[in-house]
Amino acid sequence: GENVEQHPSTLSVQEGDSAVIKCTYSDSASNYFPWYKQELGKGPQLIIDIRSNVGEKKDQRIAVTLNKTAKHFSLHITETQPEDSAVYFCAASRAGSSNTGKLIFGQGTTLQVKP
Amino acid sequence: DAGVTQSPTHLIKTRGQHVTLRCSPISGHKSVSWYQQVLGQGPQFIFQYYEKEERGRGNFPDRFSARQFPNYSSELNVNALLLGDSALYLCASSYLAGANTGELFFGEGSRLTVL
Repeated sequence: GENVEQHPSTLSVQEGDSAVIKCTYSDSASNYFPWYKQELGKGPQLIIDIRSNVGEKKDQRIAVTLNKTAKHFSLHITETQPEDSAVYFCAASRAGSSNTGKLIFGQGTTLQVKP
Repeated sequence: DAGVTQSPTHLIKTRGQHVTLRCSPISGHKSVSWYQQVLGQGPQFIFQYYEKEERGRGNFPDRFSARQFPNYSSELNVNALLLGDSALYLCASSYLAGANTGELFFGEGSRLTVL
């Protein structure tokens, strides 16, 4: 069945260091890969996404890379700050007018940035 | 503009009872999806509705049902509650069903505790 594996489950970095979270998906028809940040007691917030027609996308300190052949995608956060501390989820879906847009989520990564 | 709003934010029920959760999507969004997030895990897809019709259903028992109203708001109903139904129930809205853009915007969730 459809599955997204996410690693690591926890990640602790020093402020200013980089953090990398990796995901692998099983459904080769997936074409949309968002990343969500979830703070305690809140709903997931979309922070960046990438579609299958590009290999990399960057937004300030955040970047996402996609390797369709290997079915891997990764989130890179540079110059981490304490406010980056949260749970991060990767997800995959078949976006398109004929699809439900159902997101398959990874298990989450708890990122702790130490001041 | 208001984001996705959900009510109630917290509720406690006992086994066997019924619960109704409500969601109002972002203004202009026609699709609502429901996700269940058990503590420590990623959200799992329950339903998607678009233009008042069910467009997708996840692997949940028939005790779970939902509907969408003409104003695009939605209700999630769960009958015969079990202890395992304790979770954060998230509503997400998007402009389109299959989401040509793929973007889902989540609410803060309704925290259900079943005793």
